[in-house]
Formats: sequence, structure tokens, C-alpha cells
Amino acid sequence: DGGITQSPKYLFRKEGQNVTLSCEQNLNHDAMYWYRQDPGQGLRLIYYSQIVNDFQKGDIAEGYSVSREKKESFPLTVTSAQKNPTAFYLCASSPQGYGYTFGSGTRLTVV
Amino acid sequence: SQKIEQNSEALNIQEGKTATLTCNYTNYSPAYLQWYRQDPGRGPVFLLLIRENEKEKRKERLKVTFDTTLKQSLFHITASQPADSATYLCALASQNFVFGPGTRLSVLP
Repeated sequence: DGGITQSPKYLFRKEGQNVTLSCEQNLNHDAMYWYRQDPGQGLRLIYYSQIVNDFQKGDIAEGYSVSREKKESFPLTVTSAQKNPTAFYLCASSPQGYGYTFGSGTRLTVV
Repeated sequence: SQKIEQNSEALNIQEGKTATLTCNYTNYSPAYLQWYRQDPGRGPVFLLLIRENEKEKRKERLKVTFDTTLKQSLFHITASQPADSATYLCALASQNFVFGPGTRLSVLP
């Protein structure tokens, strides 16, 4: 059964700590994306990758980092430089020129 | 500046009626536009894609129109049901997809 798996579903971060959100897909899609969603706002693009070993900054990349060592995996690290990380994070993949398939999201909270 | 707006933050309609949601945009020239459904605490689910040379697209009880002159897309759900209650997002194809803030639809029994 193809899809995107995000883990964990809930994540708590202490001040000054880096955390990594996992995203794995078995859809054989080339492109993968990370979005952040805050209440009352649209999804905002953090990073995207069109191909393995290549990725681009989105609109709000500051304080985040990614890697794309395998086609199936696109982990996102929220660093201590991200001052307001509490949000719902969504990973997506797509074949070129069609709709996104989203994961079920990770809710990150700073404690 | 570039902007995507969806008609209202929330929309309440009676079961059986047609729900109409609006997506307006400025300073974009999208080659196509998409609509997604999002339930609370879940990722969005792709519903329909419409290209700039298509006026209308249908899928079961869903209908989408795309007017590039008005810079507007309308999303209709006919014979609405309480199970249609969700937030609906439009997304424009730019360099990447750009999402609107969403409209929360509630279908009342």
C-alpha cells in the first residue's frame, strides 16, 4: 500500500535542542516537500527536493535543514536557530506536474 | 504583491444544499490549480486539478471552475453531506505550489 509515512506524530522540543522529523515515501516520486502549517494560515514551504542529493530553500527555510540521500527519504531537522518552531509539519511528495500526496503530519511543541 | 484568498474562513450550509467555495488570487499566472480536503490533525488529501485551458472539471459530486480572466476558481459540492465537513484548500502551481489559507466547511444535518 503506497503512501508517505511521517514520524513521530507528536514531538516535544526543549529550548536550544535540535530535533529531526522523519518522512519516508514508497510512491517512487521524485519530488518531496516540507511544509509548515500554523492556525489560520496556509501551508508555507520550508524546503523541497526534485531529485536525490539536491534540495532547495522554500519561503521559510531559516532555522531548518534537510537532506536527500535516498529517493524514499527526506528528513527535516528543526534547529535551535528556529525561534518559533511550534507548528504542524507536513511532508509531501509528487510526480512532476500533478497533485501532492501528503503524510499525516508531525505536531511539534516547544516545552 | 502575490496573494491567495479563500472566500471565508468558515462556511455553514444545510445538508443537501450545494456548497460553493471561492479561491481568488493576484499576481500569479498559474498553469493549473488544485483543491485539497483537510480533516483536523491530518494531512491534506488531493481532490481535483484543473488546467488553465479547462473551464470546468467534475468528479462525482465535486465541480471546479477556473477563470483566468477573473483570477478565480470556484469549488462546488452538490448534495452536501455532514461527512463533507472539513477544511478545503486551493493551491496554485507557481514555481512550487502555493496554498491558500483554507475554508472550513460545516454541513449541518
